[in-house]
Amino acid sequence: AQKITQTQPGMFVQEKEAVTLDCTYDTSDQSYGLFWYKQPSSGEMIFLIYQGSYDEQNATEGRYSLNFQKARKSANLVISASQLGDSAMYFCAMRDINYGQNFVFGPGTRLSVLP
Amino acid sequence: DVKVTQSSRYLVKRTGEKVFLECVQDMDHENMFWYRQDPGLGLRLIYFSYDVKMKEKGDIPEGYSVSREKKERFSLILESASTNQTSMYLCASRQLAGTYNEQFFGPGTRLTVL
Repeated sequence: AQKITQTQPGMFVQEKEAVTLDCTYDTSDQSYGLFWYKQPSSGEMIFLIYQGSYDEQNATEGRYSLNFQKARKSANLVISASQLGDSAMYFCAMRDINYGQNFVFGPGTRLSVLP
Repeated sequence: DVKVTQSSRYLVKRTGEKVFLECVQDMDHENMFWYRQDPGLGLRLIYFSYDVKMKEKGDIPEGYSVSREKKERFSLILESASTNQTSMYLCASRQLAGTYNEQFFGPGTRLTVL
């Protein structure tokens, strides 16, 4: 069975500071992919960053980076230099090649950026 | 610009009504998905389809059915809406191959069943 855990229901961060959103996953498979999505109050899901289980380097996309610790089964999202527009729900998701085409999503973390 | 569209942003229906939620993607993706999103539960998969006329149950298919007559269109059907189906419904599509391919989401439909 797969499971994604996001232990922080809500987080606050001061504008321009960095913030880490936690994600741990549970899978017995060796080949899988990890994804982070952002959902602003408008509702659309925006893809942020991807990490493959065989990738040796942590993924980065602009201000987003992924702190991937395979042995600990964690894939934390780091947002540097937070902006007010970063206030949103953030979801961690996993897909593994043996689970077909489906993604499993975590419960999400609501990030609020304070001015 | 890739796009997944959903027929309604907001929908209000009465208990017992038959409800159709439509989703269209213009990316020629093989896979399409329907999720419902509830606070504290994240996204839960209702049904998915990996080809025209093909469908598979997700984690919570009870009370729902789907239809995929054309590659670009995936419909979610609530045969007899109930109040516990009040939720946000998200449609997504994805290219078939590659672990790294993300899902593209529509804007969501917020359904209220009275």
